[in-house]
Amino acid sequence: KQEVTQIPAALSVPEGENLVLNCSFTDSAIYNLQWFRQDPGKGLTSLLLIQSSQREQTSGRLNASLDKSSGRSTLYIAASQPGDSATYLCAVRYLMNTGFQKLVFGTGTRLLVSP
Amino acid sequence: DTGVSQNPRHKITKRGQNVTFRCDPISEHNRLYWYRQTLGQGPEFLTYFQNEAQLEKSRLLSDRFSAERPKGSFSTLEIQRTEQGDSAMYLCASSSTGGKDTQYFGPGTRLTVL
Repeated sequence: KQEVTQIPAALSVPEGENLVLNCSFTDSAIYNLQWFRQDPGKGLTSLLLIQSSQREQTSGRLNASLDKSSGRSTLYIAASQPGDSATYLCAVRYLMNTGFQKLVFGTGTRLLVSP
Repeated sequence: DTGVSQNPRHKITKRGQNVTFRCDPISEHNRLYWYRQTLGQGPEFLTYFQNEAQLEKSRLLSDRFSAERPKGSFSTLEIQRTEQGDSAMYLCASSSTGGKDTQYFGPGTRLTVL
């Protein structure tokens, strides 16, 4: 069964700290992996997408890494700000025999950055 | 590009009633997806369309659920005889086979069944 786990479930840090969110997946035959941000009661915003052949992707203060063989990804947030407070979701994409790309989500990490 | 839109944003209904949600994808996107997200969980895949064809359905999609995309543009998701367990956020996403196939998500419809 394809499962995605995120640790920790919740994280509270003071403004300015660097932090790491973890994602692990049971089936390493992934097509790619995507990190999303979700604000309370809202939809999902894509942050970073890493192809299965890549090791990392960077966007501003965000850096995502991928170790496919060990089934792990991390999202690193540098110099955290109160505006970073949200739930961060890891989603693994698998390519099915039909050509369909199935997204399997983790349960998310709720981040609170205090001023 | 106005993004993916969903209507209504909130729906409160009594158990046993039927509800219908609408999703308007990004105009040039030919793929459309429905997900369900319960409190504290990540989204779970429900169904997928390429143009007007429904190509994948999750086992989560019981007989009370039906989705359509009649002209390959907007889509509707209908839930018949709603149950309290149907209370969730229903998310729609769209993507294009011409690009990286990145899914762009709408704001969701939050359903509460009393």
